[in-house]
Amino acid sequence: QKEVEQNSGPLSVPEGAIASLNCTYSDRGSQSFFWYRQYSGKSPELIMSIYSNGDKEDGRFTAQLNKASQYVSLLIRDSQPSDSATYLCAVYNPSGAGSYQLTFGKGTKLSVIP
Amino acid sequence: EAGVTQFPSHSVIEKGQTVTLRCDPISGHDNLYWYRRVMGKEIKFLLHFVKESKQDESGMPNNRFLAERTGGTYSTLKVQPAELEDSGVYFCASSQAGVYEQYFGPGTRLTVT
Repeated sequence: QKEVEQNSGPLSVPEGAIASLNCTYSDRGSQSFFWYRQYSGKSPELIMSIYSNGDKEDGRFTAQLNKASQYVSLLIRDSQPSDSATYLCAVYNPSGAGSYQLTFGKGTKLSVIP
Repeated sequence: EAGVTQFPSHSVIEKGQTVTLRCDPISGHDNLYWYRRVMGKEIKFLLHFVKESKQDESGMPNNRFLAERTGGTYSTLKVQPAELEDSGVYFCASSQAGVYEQYFGPGTRLTVT
């Protein structure tokens, strides 16, 4: 069974610090990795996607992927109180059915303290 | 560009009743997905449409759930008859053809009493 694991948190960081969110996945065939941000009662918002080993940067966000270790992380630099949300890790593993279904972790709740 | 929309935002029904959820994907997105999150659990895949065809319905819990996407535009998810364990938030997402990045709607919170 495909699994995606995240520390549920809450993860508390002071404003201006770097927040580090981690995710591990069980299926070695996984190809694509996504980070979603979800504010309470709102829809998951796609903030980062990463497909290759290494780092991908977009503004204050950096996604890191290590397929050998089956590990993906999200770094948020200069954390702001508005970054306080639940961050969901999602993984795509191709199946013979041609489905694009994502497997999600339970999410990590981030709290940025002013 | 309008995002994914879902209706209703919240539905409260009694056990044994029927409920129909609607999703309007982003215009031009061929792929449409339904996911569900039950209390305390992760978001789980239900099914995937490509245009009007069901590409993968492996996540549908049982035959009380029926999804349709007539004409390849909006989709409906019907639960009949509803059971207590069907309570949760039902999300719809869409993506462009050949693209894995999925954009989610606000969800429908279903409460079965």
